[in-house]
Amino acid sequence: QKEVEQNSGPLSVPEGAIASLNCTYSDRVSQSFFWYRQYSGKSPELIMSIYSNGDKEDGRFTAQLNKASQYVSLLIRDSQPSDSATYLCAVNGLGTYKYIFGTGTRLKVLA
Amino acid sequence: EAQVTQNPRYLITVTGKKLTVTCSQNMNHEYMSWYRQDPGLGLRQIYYSMNVEVTDKGDVPEGYKVSRKEKRNFPLILESPSPNQTSLYFCASSLQGALPSKTQYFGPGTRLLVL
Repeated sequence: QKEVEQNSGPLSVPEGAIASLNCTYSDRVSQSFFWYRQYSGKSPELIMSIYSNGDKEDGRFTAQLNKASQYVSLLIRDSQPSDSATYLCAVNGLGTYKYIFGTGTRLKVLA
Repeated sequence: EAQVTQNPRYLITVTGKKLTVTCSQNMNHEYMSWYRQDPGLGLRQIYYSMNVEVTDKGDVPEGYKVSRKEKRNFPLILESPSPNQTSLYFCASSLQGALPSKTQYFGPGTRLLVL
């Protein structure tokens, strides 16, 4: 079983819609969770981090964490064509310096 | 400008010829890390360093070496490269590695082809 799982997509949404990206993880002691955006040929860029159950909002982005169900999600409101990228979920364990990344979900926002 | 730099950006080499990929950051970060990215496998952590002279293995350390003699530099060494090490490599750094909400800053990547 993969430690961090994401649907590879592509997930296609029309411009202005809400894009919902999901990530599940297997290690119950995972502490910190991150969403990165990666444009084709570029390096990953941190969008959101979350480490408490519930929602965390930053502009058009909302991260949701449910530790009991072991999933973390990213909502992108009012999706724009510029949001088209691969979104990587990453998990960091309690008291460790190791990061585990999912394989990413490719998002396509259609104009 | 705060940044992580990697050199070279592109490299073609042959099996067995030792190479070093350099990584440098100017943000006084304690934590640095190397990843490789392969299609369908995502980003996988090779090695990381919590501070000068302190390094540890990630998930895929075989065939790689690292050193951290200075805070700003974290080179990745391939003593005897093989074709299965053909990949896109990223260096990253953050202020501290094991605290919540730490932000990792990634370098631009090094694309390596081993023939």
